[in-house]
Amino acid sequence: TQLLEQSPQFLSIQEGENLTVYCNSSSVFSSLQWYRQEPGEGPVLLVTVVTGGEVKKLKRLTFQFGDARKDSSLHITAAQPGDTGLYLCVGDAGNMLTFGGGTRLMVKP
Amino acid sequence: DTGVSQDPRHKITKRGQNVTFRCDPISEHNRLYWYRQTLGQGPEFLTYFQNEAQLEKSRLLSDRFSAERPKGSFSTLEIQRTEQGDSAMYLCASSFGGARTEAFFGQGTRLTVV
Repeated sequence: TQLLEQSPQFLSIQEGENLTVYCNSSSVFSSLQWYRQEPGEGPVLLVTVVTGGEVKKLKRLTFQFGDARKDSSLHITAAQPGDTGLYLCVGDAGNMLTFGGGTRLMVKP
Repeated sequence: DTGVSQDPRHKITKRGQNVTFRCDPISEHNRLYWYRQTLGQGPEFLTYFQNEAQLEKSRLLSDRFSAERPKGSFSTLEIQRTEQGDSAMYLCASSFGGARTEAFFGQGTRLTVV
């Protein structure tokens, strides 16, 4: 069984603060995706990381894949209320997708 | 529109009734996944298809649940004798598989069993 532990589960911060979400597993993944989901909608793909140690930036969001391809992090700089949502990490071990439990982020103005 | 589409978006049914949901994946995608998501939680894996073959099923998929992908294109998820605990968002996703692993999700079908 492949488990993907995501932390924290909940995060409530003020606009302008920075935050980091972590995704950890004992399994190796061929790739890992980060999604953002708003209430009543399906998850929307933000980024895919494939190579160990890879860093990708998407405006104020920085995604990192661990060297051993077992963990990943999402860092948001100067969070804005529009960043509010459920962030999901998803690992692909080649046969099926494994979801983390999600991080519910609320950014207060 | 070339995204993943799910139908219906919302379904309210009485306990004990059968319901069927449809998912139309992105046309070039080989893999199709079904997930269930309850309020405030991350999605839970139900089953996945590689073309028309159902390769994996979760323990969550009791004998009241069945999924098909008869021609390797669209898929249906049927729930028989619905129970209140079946109330959830049912998400479908598709991907190429192989080296192209990004999965794209539909907007989901929200099921309410009353």
